[in-house]
Amino acid sequence: EVQLVESGGGLVQPGRSLKLSCLASGFTFSNYGMNWIRQAPGKGLEWVASISSSSSYIYYADTVKGRFTISRDNAKNTLYLQMTSLRSEDTALYYCARVGYGLRMDAWGQGASVTVSS
Amino acid sequence: EIVLTQSPTTTAASPGEKVTITCLASSSVSNMYWYQQKSGASPKLLIYSTSSLASGVPDRFSGSGSGTSYSLTINTMEAEDAATYYCQQWSSNPLTFGSGTKLEIK
Repeated sequence: EVQLVESGGGLVQPGRSLKLSCLASGFTFSNYGMNWIRQAPGKGLEWVASISSSSSYIYYADTVKGRFTISRDNAKNTLYLQMTSLRSEDTALYYCARVGYGLRMDAWGQGASVTVSS
Repeated sequence: EIVLTQSPTTTAASPGEKVTITCLASSSVSNMYWYQQKSGASPKLLIYSTSSLASGVPDRFSGSGSGTSYSLTINTMEAEDAATYYCQQWSSNPLTFGSGTKLEIK
């Protein structure tokens, strides 16, 4: 069974950093690109960042470029999102999602909650 | 950036009723994806490549469209279909989502 489990969320003060992890199981992690998608409370879905299977291609939303870093460790089946200089508008539930054939996001984690507040 | 405009924003349907949700793109896209998100749950892939049904999705769901106009149809509404539905494109970066359509059961 394909599983994606996020961790590392929490309450953090503005300007501080936080690192999210997404542990993958049930599939060959190194064969798939991965995305981070976030959802602010009561709002819609927003793409955050993408990374290809071998980390050759990395893309960021303008809203997080220069502050967030997506990375992966294929040996550990884990995707990461390093978030720095956090702002209140970064408060959201952060999902990792597998990018399947044809660029479809065919598996999603349960989400990690990030709250940025003083 | 390609902006996706969904309509309606909110709608309600009776069991057995047909429901259509529209997604208009600000520029032409080659494929559209549709996700279903039930309250308190993660999004779930429904439709990929505009009209292909994801694994395990009931065949009362269908997708169609081309260019800048796409739609998701539920042929016969069921209570379990109450959810928020999002369209999504990745024909060009950045990947973008529509703002969502909340579907309620009457």
